[in-house]
Amino acid sequence: DTVMTQSPLSLPVTLGQPASISCRSSQSLVYPDGNTYLDWFQQRPGQSPRRLIYQVSNRDSGVPDRFSGSGSGTDFTLKISRVEAEDVGVYYCMQGTHWPPITFGQGTRLEIK
Amino acid sequence: QVTLKESGPVLVKPTETLTLTCTVSGFSLSTAAMGVSWIRQPPGRALEWLAHIFSNDEKSYNTSLQDRLTISRDTFKSQVVLTMTNMDPIDTATYYCARVAGTVGATVDYWGQGALVTVSS
Repeated sequence: DTVMTQSPLSLPVTLGQPASISCRSSQSLVYPDGNTYLDWFQQRPGQSPRRLIYQVSNRDSGVPDRFSGSGSGTDFTLKISRVEAEDVGVYYCMQGTHWPPITFGQGTRLEIK
Repeated sequence: QVTLKESGPVLVKPTETLTLTCTVSGFSLSTAAMGVSWIRQPPGRALEWLAHIFSNDEKSYNTSLQDRLTISRDTFKSQVVLTMTNMDPIDTATYYCARVAGTVGATVDYWGQGALVTVSS
């Protein structure tokens, strides 16, 4: 199975400041069709996960443009340009290239300092 | 509008069998390149994929749990059912069903609200 490793696991951020979360996979996530099936999810307290980014860098409808995804191969990053209070929660990366199984990172807890 | 909703018992006893139902709307379970997965999350912990049913009715399971899991569907009722046998307190978790789009590559685009299941005598 493809292991997804996130860092940091805890991320205290001051309101208005940027935040960055890293996700590394144990093998390349580039599929033979040329696509990379790496998603990012946000899980606010008490809520279900919500997809923010699909295929590395495509923002879902309604996701603020302060969220961006980048990376390739085995190294990926989710960035928040200016953290707002509503961004508090846990963020997960997920790979869908070498599936099944779908595998998730351990999660990164973002909190406001 | 795509929605998924989990239903099932809130509390099960150790050794019992858990049966959860996911009722979907806004898409058909037989639509090509669409399937449904079950994913669970123990309290305060990360997400764990359990099982998937494809649009052609093929199934796939988490290898560490496959002896205990069965996934099935009723396309007419738009329902996907997960059974897990021999429940243990360590299986206490919120169980989500989620739509998975794609076949060669997968993305989870919609999630249910989740069903918290506690295993306790």
